[in-house]
Amino acid sequence: KAGVTQTPRYLIKTRGQQVTLSCSPISGHRSVSWYQQTPGQGLQFLFEYFSETQRNKGNFPGRFSGRQFSNSRSEMNVSTLELGDSALYLCASSLAGSEQFFGPGTRLTVL
Amino acid sequence: GQSLEQPSEVTAVEGAIVQINCTYQTSGFYGLSWYQQHDGGAPTFLSYNALDGLEETGRFSSFLSRSDSYGYLLLQELQMKDSASYFCAVSPGNRDDKIIFGKGTRLHILP
Repeated sequence: KAGVTQTPRYLIKTRGQQVTLSCSPISGHRSVSWYQQTPGQGLQFLFEYFSETQRNKGNFPGRFSGRQFSNSRSEMNVSTLELGDSALYLCASSLAGSEQFFGPGTRLTVL
Repeated sequence: GQSLEQPSEVTAVEGAIVQINCTYQTSGFYGLSWYQQHDGGAPTFLSYNALDGLEETGRFSSFLSRSDSYGYLLLQELQMKDSASYFCAVSPGNRDDKIIFGKGTRLHILP
């Protein structure tokens, strides 16, 4: 069974631009969560989607948004990029909630 | 607020045993998970404890004490490949609630 895939793997943007990241979960997994990882801050929860509905949301500004499609694929969008948005963005899918399967991440650099 | 505390770094010798502690303070509790992340890689699931006691999986064991809001990951017969960051994570409410991750413990292994 294929793992979680994320595209693109690397991205360079400039301040003020917007970006869309994509995540394809493991087949059969309906829950997709997004995390931001920066050095020293661990994994910060952004949001979780389940069956196309946002089920949980972290403490991030409204510039961060997401959605999930009927095939469980998910996208995350960040508008008006700031330097502090530079991070590794990880997507994780799960079947029963307790075990998260992570994708390789998208490394976003904001210049 | 909700928080997880784990040491930022731990150093141990190859072949030895090391314990990584995690204390949590959350509004509710469903289970404690552990993840491993190698440099440049994605976090991978190691173990999950919902009930008090020790869970053993090969060289790795995880312990939970719900009354003390405390758990630990025990790594035995350390190998150089165990050099990685280890994250504890709590599902604070029901199984559909968002998962909260600690900031991670960097494990250094000396030959």
